Amino acid sequence: SSELTQDPAVSVALGQTVRITCQGDSLRSYYASWYQQKPGQAPVLVFYSETNRPSGIPDRFSASSSGNTASLTITGAQAEDEADYYCNSRDSSGDHPIYVFGPGTKVSVL
Amino acid sequence: QVQLQESGPGLVKPSGTLSLNCAVAGASISSRNWWSWVRQPPGEGLEWIGEIYHTGSTNYNPSLESRVTISIDKSKNYFSLKLTSVTAADTAVYYCAREAGGGWDIFDYWGQGALVTVSS
Repeated sequence: SSELTQDPAVSVALGQTVRITCQGDSLRSYYASWYQQKPGQAPVLVFYSETNRPSGIPDRFSASSSGNTASLTITGAQAEDEADYYCNSRDSSGDHPIYVFGPGTKVSVL
Repeated sequence: QVQLQESGPGLVKPSGTLSLNCAVAGASISSRNWWSWVRQPPGEGLEWIGEIYHTGSTNYNPSLESRVTISIDKSKNYFSLKLTSVTAADTAVYYCAREAGGGWDIFDYWGQGALVTVSS
């Protein structure tokens, strides 16, 4: 099965823009989805398939993709956006379809 | 509102079997959704374990497939995870999650997670 890679950590000044990237062969065939996880909490879906933001997620979250790379952008980062962000996608390179998660990116808002 | 709740022993002995249930409320487990287990070792990232459909069809992470069984109880509206021959490396928070369906490969609802520690 393929893997997804992410930068371990990024920092952003309050109110500025940060982009988190995710790379992997599965992204050539499947959309990435993005999950935010704060300490001690379950992951929360924040964006999927490039154009879909779940209800309740601020519109400062957006996503895009090209080839084997997907990106999540936070425009005007807020203190409450400090969290770990995981990308995820389906992967059908093996005998049966599975899901793969990236290792996560820790976003610090300064 | 869909709610998922994990339950099971919080402590399992090495070489034993980890067993967890996920109770589903606000949705039928027989709906057109797959149901998944995801785990997270302390301080580490998320790892998908496997999924089940109400027909009993399953898919497992190849890295765990030889030790994992996911089953479903439609009469009680819950699904279960069994992981055999556990070691300390299986210590993690275990989440159950619903896949949205409709062609979307996303997890739209999650349980709060259950910490399982493997220790003698």
